[in-house]
Amino acid sequence: GDSVTQMEGPVTLSEEAFLTINCTYTATGYPSLFWYVQYPGEGLQLLLKATKADDKGSNKGFEATYRKETTSFHLEKGSVQVSDSAVYFCALSPTGGGNKLTFGTGTQLKVEL
Amino acid sequence: NAGVMQNPRHLVRRRGQEARLRCSPMKGHSHVYWYRQLPEEGLKFMVYLQKENIIDESGMPKERFSAEFPKEGPSILRIQQVVRGDSAAYFCASSRDRGSRGYEQYFGPGTRLTVT
Repeated sequence: GDSVTQMEGPVTLSEEAFLTINCTYTATGYPSLFWYVQYPGEGLQLLLKATKADDKGSNKGFEATYRKETTSFHLEKGSVQVSDSAVYFCALSPTGGGNKLTFGTGTQLKVEL
Repeated sequence: NAGVMQNPRHLVRRRGQEARLRCSPMKGHSHVYWYRQLPEEGLKFMVYLQKENIIDESGMPKERFSAEFPKEGPSILRIQQVVRGDSAAYFCASSRDRGSRGYEQYFGPGTRLTVT
């Protein structure tokens, strides 16, 4: 079945540092890929998405590129802020759209001054 | 435009009691999904519903759990005879449709169930 693997956290960075959170997936065909962010005590918010190979999703300074050859969708940001502290989830939905998301276990990011 | 609403936000039940979790999708959305997040884990799909229909319940435990999405009113996730292992955050999401590629699901704030 489909699966998503994320790097384990917590990841602790200083403000303005470069961020990479690794995500790889296993799925048949060409799934759509997503990054969601969860702030403490809240639900998940869609951060960015990509629906086909080599697509780059971007939002609020975050970027991720759909790499079919390495089955990866790593999240990056050039300069993190304290307000980026949250849990980040990588997820996929099956080829052709579909009705359920498969999530990674989440990576907690802590950004310190 | 109100987002996905869930209530209650926090629910405490004793072992053996019933838990009812409610979810109102975003306006214009007719598809509802329930996910469970156990402590220190990612979200796991439970069930996908459209109005009056269960489309995919492959993630639902076979016993004690049920879900509905009536023609009128919110979607309900019902857990009978709760056990401590049911303690988790339960998230509801909604979407407009499933037809287009990369369709988006919008999540509610979750219901945190604690079984004592």
